[in-house]
Amino acid sequence: EAGVTQSPTHLIKTRGQQVTLRCSPISGHTSVYWYQQALGLGLQFLLWYDEGEERNRGNFPPRFSGRQFPNYSSELNVNALELEDSALYLCASSLGAGTSGYTFGSGTRLTVV
Amino acid sequence: GNSVTQMEGPVTLSEEAFLTINCTYTATGYPSLFWYVQYPGEGLQLLLKATKADDKGSNKGFEATYRKETTSFHLEKGSVQVSDSAVYFCALLTGANSKLTFGKGITLSVRP
Repeated sequence: EAGVTQSPTHLIKTRGQQVTLRCSPISGHTSVYWYQQALGLGLQFLLWYDEGEERNRGNFPPRFSGRQFPNYSSELNVNALELEDSALYLCASSLGAGTSGYTFGSGTRLTVV
Repeated sequence: GNSVTQMEGPVTLSEEAFLTINCTYTATGYPSLFWYVQYPGEGLQLLLKATKADDKGSNKGFEATYRKETTSFHLEKGSVQVSDSAVYFCALLTGANSKLTFGKGITLSVRP
């Protein structure tokens, strides 16, 4: 069974640009979560999607947005990139409410220059 | 709100040493508790979990017991290996909003 897959694995963007990150959950998982792991800041919750709807949002500005598609895959969009957006972006999926824990992908390393 | 506090790191041990990583939590209701591990250059992997008080989670020689009275979920291993070198995160999940809340993580380095 394929795990959670994220693309791309690495990318470099210039300040002010826009970026789209992609995530495919484990087959059968309906919930997708996005976390930011910036150096020295730990894991910060960004967004939670379930059945195509945004269920919860972390303390991030509106330029961080996303969506979930009918096949449960998800995109994270970040507009007007800032240097401090440089981080590892992790996607996770779960079955239902995720009480058994989440399964994480390997992440997308974003560098903003 | 929910929060997880982990001991300060990093931790450096010799191979075969005993490991304890402390984790305490604050939560409304009755959370599920988790330990995740992140090896260099990789995402997070679920190491073990416990869903109710006095449950013991165990995996790969690691174990942790859900202690409601002390709101703790300390991670232990009797004999660490070099391959255990990684970052360890304690996390909790409540049913209210289904969002995993993580501690800051602690880096473990094991010397041969």
